Amino acid sequence: EPEVTQTPSHQVTQMGQEVILRCVPISNHLYFYWYRQILGQKVEFLVSFYNNEISEKSEIFDDQFSVERPDGSNFTLKIRSTKLEDSAMYFCASSGRARGEAFFGQGTRLTVV
Amino acid sequence: DQQVKQNSPSLSVQEGRISILNCDYTNSMFDYFLWYKKYPAEGPTFLISISSIKDKNEDGRFTVFLNKSAKHLSLHIVPSQPGDSAVYFCAASGLDSGGGADGLTFGKGTHLIIQP
Repeated sequence: EPEVTQTPSHQVTQMGQEVILRCVPISNHLYFYWYRQILGQKVEFLVSFYNNEISEKSEIFDDQFSVERPDGSNFTLKIRSTKLEDSAMYFCASSGRARGEAFFGQGTRLTVV
Repeated sequence: DQQVKQNSPSLSVQEGRISILNCDYTNSMFDYFLWYKKYPAEGPTFLISISSIKDKNEDGRFTVFLNKSAKHLSLHIVPSQPGDSAVYFCAASGLDSGGGADGLTFGKGTHLIIQP
């Protein structure tokens, strides 16, 4: 069964450093998303991406964040200068249609120290 | 501002009985609702969805009911099995939903525990 894969599974970084979280969405999907879940809190939408551009972003997704689809398969989330409060599980998701069910990856646990 | 609310942080149900998980929403622009299941250290897994043009959708042991006038939906699991023990998230989407035009707004989740 096709699945969304994310790497790395766990990333530890120092405050102020840049991190790139990587995702390989399901191959025939066109809509891509990043969500995060801070420990003990709900899953929060960050950004959606379609047709090589951001289609929507939340207020969490400030100038420190960027997304890119550098080739036909990868979808990345970059945090330029990490803060302690960026520590969370980051989930990539993809969907075959707009506003349809999204399929999630296993997540990357980001720990900022 | 919680647009999707799951007011029960946890629910304990005996194996074989019905599990009923509830979800309320406040944004009348939501028109598509989903339930996800999440095990520890894994991403959410899609379970079942319902469009606002329906009031019920069934898939095997899982049934979702939507009451638009009450802005309420529920997930029924019958019969409950030990493997159903997980956190269940209600999610919604719609234009101007705050989750993006096609992003999802999630509730905080309900931890379902199936007792043997």
